[in-house]
Amino acid sequence: GAVVSQHPSWVICKSGTSVKIECRSLDFQATTMFWYRQFPKQSLMLMATSNEGSKATYEQGVEKDKFLINHASLTLSTLTVTSAHPEDSSFYICSARPHRVGTEAFFGQGTRLTVV
Amino acid sequence: GENVEQHPSTLSVQEGDSAVIKCTYSDSASNYFPWYKQELGKGPQLIIDIRSNVGEKKDQRIAVTLNKTAKHFSLHITETQPEDSAVYFCAASMEYGNKLVFGAGTILRVKS
Repeated sequence: GAVVSQHPSWVICKSGTSVKIECRSLDFQATTMFWYRQFPKQSLMLMATSNEGSKATYEQGVEKDKFLINHASLTLSTLTVTSAHPEDSSFYICSARPHRVGTEAFFGQGTRLTVV
Repeated sequence: GENVEQHPSTLSVQEGDSAVIKCTYSDSASNYFPWYKQELGKGPQLIIDIRSNVGEKKDQRIAVTLNKTAKHFSLHITETQPEDSAVYFCAASMEYGNKLVFGAGTILRVKS
């Protein structure tokens, strides 16, 4: 099956710093990638949809200036949490949809962010 | 927008018994309904899915049923095993491979 890799798997950062999370499709090209956030013991909530070569579309209530998304190639999307605060601590998960029509989107393994 | 409700929030069954998790959705335009299994600290793993033109789909011990009129869909796991213990999420989407709206999740515990 298709493989989506996130890096890092976990990260601890100080409050006020920025953190970048990478989402790579390893064996397929992905024109669309989705970023979800999951707080402890809660469900996954879509943050934004990232399309290669264009600006991301953010869900209502998600600050686009705080969560910067770059989808510069067909195999890589990055999420940067700027000026992170403890309330940004969460599990961030990406999914990538292959370029060809009629396929599911595949999930990465997630990135655990802890802001101290 | 779409809203997906999932019940129960926790489910404990004896090994070998069946488990059923139910979801309802609000938007009649949704036409793709996947189910995911998530283990601690990992991303969700697709276990089965169904599209709106089908009423039932089965894959070994796992089956999903869909009632479009009532906007209900359910996950059925038969002959449960301890390794089935995990959190299960239902989801709905307007298009296969598009953004998903997830249910709240069900913690399934299979006791041996």
